[in-house]
Amino acid sequence: ETGVTQSPTHLIKTRGQQVTLRCSSQSGHNTVSWYQQALGQGPQFIFQYYREEENGRGNFPPRFSGLQFPNYSSELNVNALELDDSALYLCASSLSDSTDTQYFGPGTRLTVL
Amino acid sequence: RKEVEQDPGPFNVPEGATVAFNCTYSNSASQSFFWYRQDCRKEPKLLMSVYSSGNEDGRFTAQLNRASQYISLLIRDSKLSDSATYLCVVNSELSFGAGTTVTVRA
Repeated sequence: ETGVTQSPTHLIKTRGQQVTLRCSSQSGHNTVSWYQQALGQGPQFIFQYYREEENGRGNFPPRFSGLQFPNYSSELNVNALELDDSALYLCASSLSDSTDTQYFGPGTRLTVL
Repeated sequence: RKEVEQDPGPFNVPEGATVAFNCTYSNSASQSFFWYRQDCRKEPKLLMSVYSSGNEDGRFTAQLNRASQYISLLIRDSKLSDSATYLCVVNSELSFGAGTTVTVRA
């Protein structure tokens, strides 16, 4: 196992609600990246946090926001949920910057009704 | 044009066969490349890094062609357990391909 954990494993929400997903990075890793993976698609990069600062962002609207804590764990927050937000949300931790190997957590499967 | 493109397959091959597929990338300055394996409804797991000179890990061989901007993965002596979706990632852009599905049949 990678040592990256995510919670919750599954979540069901309704349109307009807000959700917070959590990720604990592998020991010694200070970088966390978040991805959204819709069914049949590859993971799409949402954003990356390095030492508590956002270090890059993909093509996602501002209602997708995040945090990284001093222990390098991270949160992904999504406001005003839409049906298309239904997906597997993956976090990946790495030792430093984007050129390092990423290790994925098991993901949170979000269903928006 | 997408940053990273893969042939989605599926590649259906018999046990023991060799299967190979490519992944093209658009940014000529890209530096680091990886292959991941993803089983149905699971997280991606690192299969191997891709080095400039090409590299092997058992039955798996990865190649990088900078001139044509693609990486490749070759699987020799396919096993049933190799059935999965294979994702390429260009790490410097944190861009994943959509995956190539491989099914190995008995």
